[in-house]
Amino acid sequence: DQQVKQNSPSLSVQEGRISILNCDYTNSMFDYFLWYKKYPAEGPTFLISISSIKDKNEDGRFTVFLNKSAKHLSLHIVPSQPGDSAVYFCAASGGGTSYGKLTFGQGTILTVHP
Amino acid sequence: GAVVSQHPSWVICKSGTSVKIECRSLDFQATTMFWYRQFPKQSLMLMATSNEGSKATYEQGVEKDKFLINHASLTLSTLTVTSAHPEDSSFYICSARVSSIQPQHFGDGTRLSIL
Repeated sequence: DQQVKQNSPSLSVQEGRISILNCDYTNSMFDYFLWYKKYPAEGPTFLISISSIKDKNEDGRFTVFLNKSAKHLSLHIVPSQPGDSAVYFCAASGGGTSYGKLTFGQGTILTVHP
Repeated sequence: GAVVSQHPSWVICKSGTSVKIECRSLDFQATTMFWYRQFPKQSLMLMATSNEGSKATYEQGVEKDKFLINHASLTLSTLTVTSAHPEDSSFYICSARVSSIQPQHFGDGTRLSIL
């Protein structure tokens, strides 16, 4: 039972354009969502998070949008840079404890072309 | 800040061997550490949660006698894969956090290959 799904295994964008990474979840108990970036042979690096009481959180070039009714979140990267090329995982936690146990999606490979 | 070191990064060993993986928080004290496993083309799956000084909490389907977890200090947790077999070959990765309101920080993972 995949509670967090990233349906796009890969995404390719041109440098300077917007990258939009999508994530869907099924568990209505999730109340905190995070995005991690992972380079080969390294562990995931925390990027940005959002609480279920918000619908948007912005940090520099990264913005996460949450649509609770649709159980959908997305990560926008503007402008995209070649260094953003990595695997992006969305993760969710719930049960009233922020940053608790994480359930991860399968990841989306982002490639930003110069 | 928030560096998590995992060692070793790669292990190849014979079937039946026990393998120990260390996870250290280098610049912070981790009240909770997590162990994940990732099979090829799949997501990271939580195996267990360990709090310093107490027994680990294992996820459903994870054998606690097979995957021994020790979290003896605020900066070190170990995962021992006992009597490893080829089906245990996977990518094991740990994470650590200071408190429940802080994000998890991940180590670089251990690639375990059992021959």
